[in-house]
Amino acid sequence: SQQGEEDPQALSIQEGENATMNCSYKTSINNLQWYRQNSGRGLVHLILIRSNEREKHSGRLRVTLDTSKKSSSLLITASRAADTASYFCATEETSGSRLTFGEGTQLTVNP
Amino acid sequence: DVKVTQSSRYLVKRTGEKVFLECVQDMDHENMFWYRQDPGLGLRLIYFSYDVKMKEKGDIPEGYSVSREKKERFSLILESASTNQTSMYLCASQLGGSGANVLTFGAGSRLTVL
Repeated sequence: SQQGEEDPQALSIQEGENATMNCSYKTSINNLQWYRQNSGRGLVHLILIRSNEREKHSGRLRVTLDTSKKSSSLLITASRAADTASYFCATEETSGSRLTFGEGTQLTVNP
Repeated sequence: DVKVTQSSRYLVKRTGEKVFLECVQDMDHENMFWYRQDPGLGLRLIYFSYDVKMKEKGDIPEGYSVSREKKERFSLILESASTNQTSMYLCASQLGGSGANVLTFGAGSRLTVL
């Protein structure tokens, strides 16, 4: 069963603009993680936010978590063409350490 | 850096063939996972393992089996491949133990079953 659901499914922006992707989930979690996947490749971990954190930054990435709404957002600031990829949220439920992934957001950054 | 290596990037097999997908990690991680990825369905967990010779079913284990004889190696086996098993297969490893653990993925194996 899919725990996380990303929104939008696809996003197309111009270089320099900010990109925001959202993730909703259903159950209690230990943490929420964001991954990136370039076309035809494996996923790469970007950032992890724990259930007791509300916001986290890493370079041009900003992640927020609202456990009351069971939602998270990933903001990429000043986007670059190289940011073009699929972005996935994954949740670690309190019941165990396995991660459950959403279907991803396909981000296209046009030069 | 942890490296997860999947033995084959692309495979083409025929219906009914037995298929082995191999995955090796080099950082002594406890946990290993096999996912399949299909358009519109995201990543779905097939099997995982928290220790040598241990395996647990994920969300879609039917038609698959796994083997973990050594800590660093986790193999996915399709006993009799079928066309609906055409997919991208992703292996991942995880440190294990308490605390938040991220997954390190291999590059993926794209399997086509004719």
